[in-house]
Amino acid sequence: SQTIHQWPATLVQPVGSPLSLECTVEGTSNPNLYWYRQAAGRGLQLLFYSVGIGQISSEVPQNLSASRPQDRQFILSSKKLLLSDSGFYLCAWAIPNSPLHFGNGTRLTVT
Amino acid sequence: AQRVTQPEKLLSVFKGAPVELKCNYSYSGSPELFWYVQYSRQRLQLLLRHISRESIKGFTADLNKGETSFHLKKPFAQEEDSAMYYCALWGGSNYKLTFGKGTLLTVNP
Repeated sequence: SQTIHQWPATLVQPVGSPLSLECTVEGTSNPNLYWYRQAAGRGLQLLFYSVGIGQISSEVPQNLSASRPQDRQFILSSKKLLLSDSGFYLCAWAIPNSPLHFGNGTRLTVT
Repeated sequence: AQRVTQPEKLLSVFKGAPVELKCNYSYSGSPELFWYVQYSRQRLQLLLRHISRESIKGFTADLNKGETSFHLKKPFAQEEDSAMYYCALWGGSNYKLTFGKGTLLTVNP
């Protein structure tokens, strides 16, 4: 069966520090991969999605970037965190014509 | 552009009462609609999708293309139904799943 791993579960980082959140999927090949941010009152905002290695589509121009160095690995990064980057980040995967499956999420607090 | 609107941020009902969580969408093509649920301290998970036409945990949702709606309904709410509910629209070839802002349902004893 397919599983998705996302870490860390919680992270506290100072403003201006770098960020790297990792997500890996097991049990499937060539999935579509997604990063969402969940914020109170703003729902789930799609940040990036990828349909293959090295292919990244950005939905919201901002301080973050994403990379897909391997088929089942999706990384969310920032060179310098802002206070506004605080939030709950969710990784998800899907195969075509199937629903998204979400990871447990990472709670990021930028201080 | 695709858009999902959930007009109610909060919804509170008593146990045994009917519940309806509203969802309206905007999409030029033929959409696929979903409801996701997030219980306290659990991951976001799929509740149901319109093409399945099934009832999950007593919940149903009917796609009304004329009214561009996909409201979630349950005739008798239970306390364990308390959760955050998100309506989502799949645009198909653009690979994107667009979510509404969510409705927090509280079922009181």
